[in-house]
Amino acid sequence: GQQLNQSPQSMFIQEGEDVSMNCTSSSIFNTWLWYKQDPGEGPVLLIALYKAGELTSNGRLTAQFGITRKDSFLNISASIPSDVGIYFCAGQERDNFNKFYFGSGTKLNVKP
Amino acid sequence: SQTIHQWPATLVQPVGSPLSLECTVEGTSNPNLYWYRQAAGRGLQLLFYSVGIGQISSEVPQNLSASRPQDRQFILSSKKLLLSDSGFYLCAWSRLARGDTQYFGPGTRLTVL
Repeated sequence: GQQLNQSPQSMFIQEGEDVSMNCTSSSIFNTWLWYKQDPGEGPVLLIALYKAGELTSNGRLTAQFGITRKDSFLNISASIPSDVGIYFCAGQERDNFNKFYFGSGTKLNVKP
Repeated sequence: SQTIHQWPATLVQPVGSPLSLECTVEGTSNPNLYWYRQAAGRGLQLLFYSVGIGQISSEVPQNLSASRPQDRQFILSSKKLLLSDSGFYLCAWSRLARGDTQYFGPGTRLTVL
C-alpha cells in the first residue's frame, strides 16, 4: 500500500528560527495537505495544494507541491512558542480520491 | 459553513463492554466520512471510510465496525472492547471529488481498562 515518508520525526528549535519538514510518496499524488495537531485535539488544516509546482503561503507557513507530484515540503519562518505541536502531511493519490494517506508526523518543539 | 461533531469527548470503558462513538457533519451533503485511530504520540490509522449511506469500507481487520445510517452520520461500534482499542478516535469528512481536502472532528479519547 501507499507509504508516506515524513521527516524529520521531531525537531527542537529556538524561538525565531525557521523550520522545514518534508514528505515523499511512492506514487503520484493529486493533492497534498498539511495539518497541525495540538495535544488532545483533531488535526487542523494549514495548507492545501492542488497543482504540481504550486507554492502556497498561510502567514508564516509556506508549502510546495513538488514537480514530480511525489513530494511536498512545509516551511515555518520565525517560529514562535505556539507553533509547538505535531505536523502531518497527507494526500490523495491521482487515481483514488476516496482515501487520504498520512505521514507519521513531525513533532515540533520550540524553546522560548 | 461545515461543522463536524463527535461525542462523547472522552470515554472510559471496561474490557468486554460495548462501544458506540458518533460523528455528525453539518452544512454539507453526501460527504465521504472517515474513522481514524491515533495511538499516543503516533500517526493516524485509517479504520473505515464511507462514500454513502450503508456503504462501509474497512481498512484494518479488527474488533471494530462502522455504520452509516444517515447521510451525515457515521458510527463506530464494538460488541466487546479490548485493551488494545484504547486510543484517540477521529472522524473526518471530505467531498467526493478529485483534489479535495479533509476536515477533522475534535476527537474522542477512549480508555479501556
